[in-house]
Amino acid sequence: EAGVTQFPSHSVIEKGQTVTLRCDPISGHDNLYWYRRVMGKEIKFLLHFVKESKQDESGMPNNRFLAERTGGTYSTLKVQPAELEDSGVYFCASSPWGSYSPLHFGNGTRLTVT
Amino acid sequence: AQTVTQSQPEMSVQEAETVTLSCTYDTSESDYYLFWYKQPPSRQMILVIRQEAYKQQNATENRFSVNFQKAAKSFSLKISDSQLGDAAMYFCAYRIQGGSEKLVFGKGTKLTVNP
Repeated sequence: EAGVTQFPSHSVIEKGQTVTLRCDPISGHDNLYWYRRVMGKEIKFLLHFVKESKQDESGMPNNRFLAERTGGTYSTLKVQPAELEDSGVYFCASSPWGSYSPLHFGNGTRLTVT
Repeated sequence: AQTVTQSQPEMSVQEAETVTLSCTYDTSESDYYLFWYKQPPSRQMILVIRQEAYKQQNATENRFSVNFQKAAKSFSLKISDSQLGDAAMYFCAYRIQGGSEKLVFGKGTKLTVNP
């Protein structure tokens, strides 16, 4: 089966610009998560979708971040306007329903805001 | 606060030798799962091993095993017969049963395997 796919793999933008990251989960996985790792720090949870619904968005840093998962398939994470501190690697992960199901991660999108 | 601490930013091991990566965590929950994930350079993060907190027996997956000490909130990973392909960032994480099911990660340990 195809794994979790993230686009783009790298993105370099200027402060104030907008960037949209995309994640295609494994087909049939209801759970979709976004995480972020800032250089040298922990991987931090951003939010969790169950199908198209936001189950938990407690990790979203502020209202400059907007995540969607229309139709319960792929998800997008938009940052508008981007700030320097938004730089990092954004990971997407998916899993089938069930709390013991392991997460399948994508390769991540490395975002650099200059 | 729920935290995971990996006190070793970097570790190295000789090929075929054994190495242990440490991890401690802090949670007030009683039901949770513990995980070790591995991220090779420029590759996807993959699950190495997992442990249910209610199980006393330590999990084992081939050359990978854990030492789970629930009272001490410690969850170390032992890699036996280290191979070059084991070189990666290793992340310790836990997930509370129920709730949002989000993973709480440590900062990671970069493992180098020397030939």
